[in-house]
Amino acid sequence: DGGITQSPKYLFRKEGQNVTLSCEQNLNHDAMYWYRQDPGQGLRLIYYSQIVNDFQKGDIAEGYSVSREKKESFPLTVTSAQKNPTAFYLCASSNRQSSYNEQFFGPGTRLTVL
Amino acid sequence: KNEVEQSPQNLTAQEGEFITINCSYSVGISALHWLQQHPGGGIVSLFMLSSGKKKHGRLIATINIQEKHSSLHITASHPRDSAVYICAVKVTGGGNKLTFGTGTQLKVEL
Repeated sequence: DGGITQSPKYLFRKEGQNVTLSCEQNLNHDAMYWYRQDPGQGLRLIYYSQIVNDFQKGDIAEGYSVSREKKESFPLTVTSAQKNPTAFYLCASSNRQSSYNEQFFGPGTRLTVL
Repeated sequence: KNEVEQSPQNLTAQEGEFITINCSYSVGISALHWLQQHPGGGIVSLFMLSSGKKKHGRLIATINIQEKHSSLHITASHPRDSAVYICAVKVTGGGNKLTFGTGTQLKVEL
């Protein structure tokens, strides 16, 4: 079945450690996105990539890094520079040609920094 | 002020009730999305609208471009409809990004 997978579902890290969240899609989508969700707030865009080997900062990129070496994969690294990393992280992908930009979401990773 | 506002923030209904969730936006858009987020966190797309009205099963979505307002209706609500409903817009000239509302938490009780 086509879809987006994120792993792991729950992740615990000590303060000061970098951590990488995985996102893989087999929908053949060019565009991929990383969002952060906090209670009482809408999804906020961290980084997005329209094509392999290219990505742009979203609204809250500080303390995060990404890579897009393969079309299927868009890993997100939460660095120790991120002041408040505990959150729910969602990855999404879309067909870059879609005029509506329908995005397909993964199941999310809940990161807790202790 | 958020570019996308939803109301109400929380809603509790009895099974069978007709439910309306509202979304207002303050920017020019090319499309509006209604999304459903299940308790486990997964998000699915319900509707994409640029004008008029769409219906899928017991769900109806409408949009009024002039008033910059959209509504999501659920007829004959059921406990399995309990979820967070999120409105998102594709801002004109904003590239391929979406701007999200904060969501409406719906609980349907027996």
